[in-house]
Amino acid sequence: QVQLVQSGADVKKPGASVTVSCKASGYTFTTYFLHWVRQAPVQGLEWMGSISPSGGAATYAQKFQGRVTITRDTSTSTVYMELSGLRSEDTALYYCVRDGVAAPARRYFEHWGQGSQVTVSS
Amino acid sequence: QSALTQPASVSGFPGQSVSITCTGTSNDVGGYNLVSWYRQHPGQAPRLIIFEDTKRPSEFFNRFSGSKSGNTAFLTIFGLQAEDEADYYCSSYAGSDTFIFGGGTKVSVL
Repeated sequence: QVQLVQSGADVKKPGASVTVSCKASGYTFTTYFLHWVRQAPVQGLEWMGSISPSGGAATYAQKFQGRVTITRDTSTSTVYMELSGLRSEDTALYYCVRDGVAAPARRYFEHWGQGSQVTVSS
Repeated sequence: QSALTQPASVSGFPGQSVSITCTGTSNDVGGYNLVSWYRQHPGQAPRLIIFEDTKRPSEFFNRFSGSKSGNTAFLTIFGLQAEDEADYYCSSYAGSDTFIFGGGTKVSVL
């Protein structure tokens, strides 16, 4: 079955960068878009961006433009999300999510990783 | 781009039906047939319950129904059960390969 296994919790200081990884298995990695969605404490869900696992082109939410970079490594079926210029408001649970429809379509968020906690604190 | 608008909370008695609204604009909810809904229990990842406005991913969610009118989407839960107590989020495609979520609705079973 589809599995998305994310990296563990991380603590960073304000201004630093963090990279979260997501290893996919149980399907053909290059077939489906992967998204990153975050959830701040007691807050709602927020879409950050997505990546084409075949071509590697990424699209980002306007809010995160210039601060987020999503990449992938097809040899290891792993997607990475790097967020720079961290501030306390970036403290959140970051989810890797696989789309429900084969590329090039992007439709909805079907399979979710377990989430990676990122804490920004001085 | 502002989040889609959902009521903060709705509640109902077991066996009743409740509906959650998700209001956007013609640039997202009203412009595409790509509204999806997710249920999230405390401490768990969200789970897809409705996609492409009205479709269910499995018969496991046959008490859930999605619909849409103009710029507002609706999620209806029939025959409310204790396990339905959770947070519910809507999401929509918003053009230019981007997506947007609603603020979430807490459903309470009285």
